[in-house]
Order: sequence, then structure tokens, then C-alpha cells
Amino acid sequence: GAVVSQHPSRVICKSGTSVKIECRSLDFQATTMFWYRQFPKQSLMLMATSNEGSKATYEQGVEKDKFLINHASLTLSTLTVTSAHPEDSSFYICSAESIPARQETQYFGPGTRLLVL
Amino acid sequence: AQKVTQAQTEISVVEKEDVTLDCVYETRDTTYYLFWYKQPPSGELVFLIRRNSFDEQNEISGRYSWNFQKSTSSFNFTITASQVVDSAVYFCALSEAVDYKLSFGAGTTVTVRA
Repeated sequence: GAVVSQHPSRVICKSGTSVKIECRSLDFQATTMFWYRQFPKQSLMLMATSNEGSKATYEQGVEKDKFLINHASLTLSTLTVTSAHPEDSSFYICSAESIPARQETQYFGPGTRLLVL
Repeated sequence: AQKVTQAQTEISVVEKEDVTLDCVYETRDTTYYLFWYKQPPSGELVFLIRRNSFDEQNEISGRYSWNFQKSTSSFNFTITASQVVDSAVYFCALSEAVDYKLSFGAGTTVTVRA
């Protein structure tokens, strides 16, 4: 099956610093990657849709200047949480769609736990 | 608007009991996809099933079975003879052909006691 990795799996940072999370499709190319956020005991909420070579599309209420997304290649998307604050502490999960696009299925990464002190 | 409703927040059963998880969805698209995912304590989402809107056949995979009924907009999931390893949060999700974004339900936490 398609494999998606995320790095780091866990990160602790000080308030005000920036954190970069990588999402890689290991054995397939992905035109589209998605970034989700999950707070404790809550569901996954889509933050943004990332398309290779173009600007990401953000969901309503998600600050694009705070959550910078770059999809520079068909196998890598990055999410940078800028000037992180404790309320940004969450579980961040990415997913990817493969080429040829099987748009009905997203392959999920293992997630990144972010703790901002 | 809530597209996927999982009314059961938590379910606790004793091993070997059957568990049925309810999922009700809402969409105006005629083409859509329904999913079930399992999220164990580790956090990684485990894909269980995908069903498209044109296929109402029920499906059985080992101890798992799914009942898709378009008439009631439901896509329920049953675990037969539950085991402790089935303890997890289970999410139902909907993807519409208009944009293929996944909308997740709130999730149901299943606890199977030995």
C-alpha cells in the first residue's frame, strides 16, 4: 500500500519559535496533499489543501500566514507553524493522493505531535 | 454544517460482544465516498474501508462488516466478537466528488474490556 511519512513524529518548542513538519509520499507521487489538525479527544479538521507547484488552499478560519504550506515536489509537502503559541499544541496529520489520482482515497501519515511551551 | 454524524461518543463492551457503530451522513452530491478509519492510541489512522455512493452492497471483512443504506444516509460498522485490540477511536468520513475533501465525524471511542 501507499506509504506516507511525517517528520518529526514529536516536537516540543518554546513559544514564539517556528516549527517545520515534513510530509513525504515514499512510494508514490502526490499531486495533492492535505493537512489536518486534531486536538485531544476531538476529530480531525482539515486545515489546508496543498497542490504541487501552486499555493495552498486554506479552510475557513485557518490563518495562512501562521501556517505556511509548501508543496515543492510531488513527494514532499511542508507545514511551518510560525511563532507557535501554546494553543497551537496539537496533533498534525498529513495525507496524500496518488498519481494517477485516485481521488477517493487519501493515504495518511503517522502524525506529528506538537507541544508548545 | 455537520456532514457526518457519529452520535455515539463512547461504547464500552466486554470481549466477544458485538459492537455496532452508527454513522449518518449528509450530502447533495450524487457521487460521494464513505470511509471508516481506526485510530488506536498511537494516533496513526488505519484505513478500514471505502465505499462509493453507487455501491450499496454490504461488505464483510473478517470480524468487520459494514451496512450502507442510502435510503437512510447511513453507513454503519459492526465489529463481531470484539477483542481488546479493537479498542480505539473509530471515525466515519465523507468525501464528495465536488472537491474530494474528507469530512470526518466526531469519532466513537470503543473500549473492549477483557
